[in-house]
Amino acid sequence: KAGVTQTPRYLIKTRGQQVTLSCSPISGHRSVSWYQQTPGQGLQFLFEYFSETQRNKGNFPGRFSGRQFSNSRSEMNVSTLELGDSALYLCASRLGTGNTGELFFGEGSRLTVL
Amino acid sequence: AQTVTQSQPEMSVQEAETVTLSCTYDTSESDYYLFWYKQPPSRQMILVIRQEAYKQQNATENRFSVNFQKAAKSFSLKISDSQLGDAAMYFCAYGAGANSKLTFGKGITLSVRP
Repeated sequence: KAGVTQTPRYLIKTRGQQVTLSCSPISGHRSVSWYQQTPGQGLQFLFEYFSETQRNKGNFPGRFSGRQFSNSRSEMNVSTLELGDSALYLCASRLGTGNTGELFFGEGSRLTVL
Repeated sequence: AQTVTQSQPEMSVQEAETVTLSCTYDTSESDYYLFWYKQPPSRQMILVIRQEAYKQQNATENRFSVNFQKAAKSFSLKISDSQLGDAAMYFCAYGAGANSKLTFGKGITLSVRP
């Protein structure tokens, strides 16, 4: 069974641009979560989607948004990029919501903002 | 708000020896889960072990075991017979029962000396 797949793996943008990151969960998984990982702040929860609905949202500005499609694939978008948005963005999937099921992570999309 | 604290940024262990990684957390919830995740360099994060708060028995997974002290809100990971492949960053994480969001500690970098 294929794992969580994130694309692109690496990308470079300049301030003010926008970026879209994609995540394909493990087949059958309906919950997709996004995390931002930086050396200074560590891992921070962005949001979670389940059955195309945002179930939970972290403490990030409105420039960060996401969505989930009917096939459970998810995208996150960051508009008006700032230098501080440089980070590893991790996507994770699980079968359902809550913490009873194991969370599986992708390898991440590393975003550099110049 | 829930917090997770990993006070040691780095640790080193001799191959075949035992090492303990510390973690404390703060919560007012009664239903929650605790996790240890491993993130090898440039590779995806994987679950090492999980503990349900309502279970008094400490979780074990082969060479990995936890010491869960609920009253003290402490959750340490013991790695026995350390192997070179155990070298990675280890994150302690907390998740409330019905809430899919995970709160992570800052992580600890574990190196294994041959």
